[in-house]
Amino acid sequence: QQPVQSPQAVILREGEDAVINCSSSKALYSVHWYRQKHGEAPVFLMILLKGGEQKGHDKISASFNEKKQQSSLYLTASQLSYSGTYFCGTEEGYQKVTFGTGTKLQVIP
Amino acid sequence: DAGITQSPRHKVTETGTPVTLRCHQTENHRYMYWYRQDPGHGLRLIHYSYGVKDTDKGEVSDGYSVSRSKTEDFLLTLESATSSQTSVYFCAIGRQGSEQYFGPGTRLTVT
Repeated sequence: QQPVQSPQAVILREGEDAVINCSSSKALYSVHWYRQKHGEAPVFLMILLKGGEQKGHDKISASFNEKKQQSSLYLTASQLSYSGTYFCGTEEGYQKVTFGTGTKLQVIP
Repeated sequence: DAGITQSPRHKVTETGTPVTLRCHQTENHRYMYWYRQDPGHGLRLIHYSYGVKDTDKGEVSDGYSVSRSKTEDFLLTLESATSSQTSVYFCAIGRQGSEQYFGPGTRLTVT
């Protein structure tokens, strides 16, 4: 069963912040986050392993609440280059990642 | 960039014909995956492999078969293509508990 992402789409102005949520009904081993630009392959952003850790990369960070099977991706001070579709992928421990349907993010000047 | 290629990159075929897509990696990764991507559905796993000759089904495996005779190659076969298999197909490689790297994709159109 695919994880549920919200929102499905969001439009931001440069410099604004956004949060993308991902939730699963199953116990998770890890959560992956990827970004895909139009016509390109998905690109890995970060992975969070069970243990409730939080990770950051430049102005993009993520958290993983293992007990709630939820993860959130935080984009701060958004840039035009952040535009794309963001996918979360959940892993139950068998090296099979199930992806959500994606969140389309558009950053405008 | 991870060394992963897909061929062909684009293909148009007729309903009922067999089609084979190839994924080739130079990273010596144990795990390889085939996904399809359709609007509104995100990426859905078709089949995956956890070693030479070791494969398993994903969530949308009906109508597809795979083979992996060498570590570097993972083939996806549509035995008799249907219009519902028109999609963009991505191959990915990865290690257990680690990120996946995606190939450039194959756009398949079944007419």
